[in-house]
Amino acid sequence: DTGVSQDPRHKITKRGQNVTFRCDPISEHNRLYWYRQTLGQGPEFLTYFQNEAQLEKSRLLSDRFSAERPKGSFSTLEIQRTEQGDSAMYLCASSLRAEAFFGQGTRLTVV
Amino acid sequence: GQQVMQIPQYQHVQEGEDFTTYCNSSTTLSNIQWYKQRPGGHPVFLIQLVKSGEVKKQKRLTFQFGEAKKNSSLHITATQTTDVGTYFCAGGRTSYDKVIFGPGTSLSVIP
Repeated sequence: DTGVSQDPRHKITKRGQNVTFRCDPISEHNRLYWYRQTLGQGPEFLTYFQNEAQLEKSRLLSDRFSAERPKGSFSTLEIQRTEQGDSAMYLCASSLRAEAFFGQGTRLTVV
Repeated sequence: GQQVMQIPQYQHVQEGEDFTTYCNSSTTLSNIQWYKQRPGGHPVFLIQLVKSGEVKKQKRLTFQFGEAKKNSSLHITATQTTDVGTYFCAGGRTSYDKVIFGPGTSLSVIP
C-alpha cells in the first residue's frame, strides 16, 4: 500500500458521457501528478500541482480534460464528452521531494 | 518539448543472464529516476541519481547517470524471475519541473 488512493478503480462509460476521477495523495505531499498509461507504454504526463496551484498541463491534452486540487489536498480529473481514445489507465502520483508514489490507478473503458 | 527515450523496448533473457536498459533525454536533466512496474501493477520508485557521472548500486542493480546528464542506464546482474517487469526512467529539467517518463523496457526472464 503506497498511501495514494484513487477512486474508482474501474470505470466503464458510454462515449459522450462525462467522468470524474478522484485521487487522495499522501497527506504531507505537496506535489501531485496525473498520468495516463496505455498498454505497453510509459506513463504519459497530463498535469501536475504544487499544493493547490496547477503548474502545467500537457499541450497534448484536449480542453475536454480538466483537473483541480482544491485546498492542496485531494485532486479530481474530469473528462468531458468521453471518446473511445480516452480508454486508458489514469494514474495519480504524489511526492514531497523526488520519489513519486503512485496510486493503483483508475482504468477507464469508453464503449 | 522534452522527450525521454529508452532502448530496448523488450528484452528476453535466460535466468542468470545480465540485463541492461538505456535511457536518453533530449534535454539535460536535473535528476534521473528509475521505476519498476510489475505486470498489472503501478510504477514503484527504485532510485534517483542527481550528480553527473553518478553510479549507485542496489544489490544486483547498478544505475548510472551520464556525464552530460542526458543519459542513464540500469544494469541487472544475474537476473532472477522476480526481476520481471517494465523498467522506466523518468526525469525533469529542473528539480521543480514536471517528471517525464520514458516508454520503458519490458524484461522477461525465462527460468
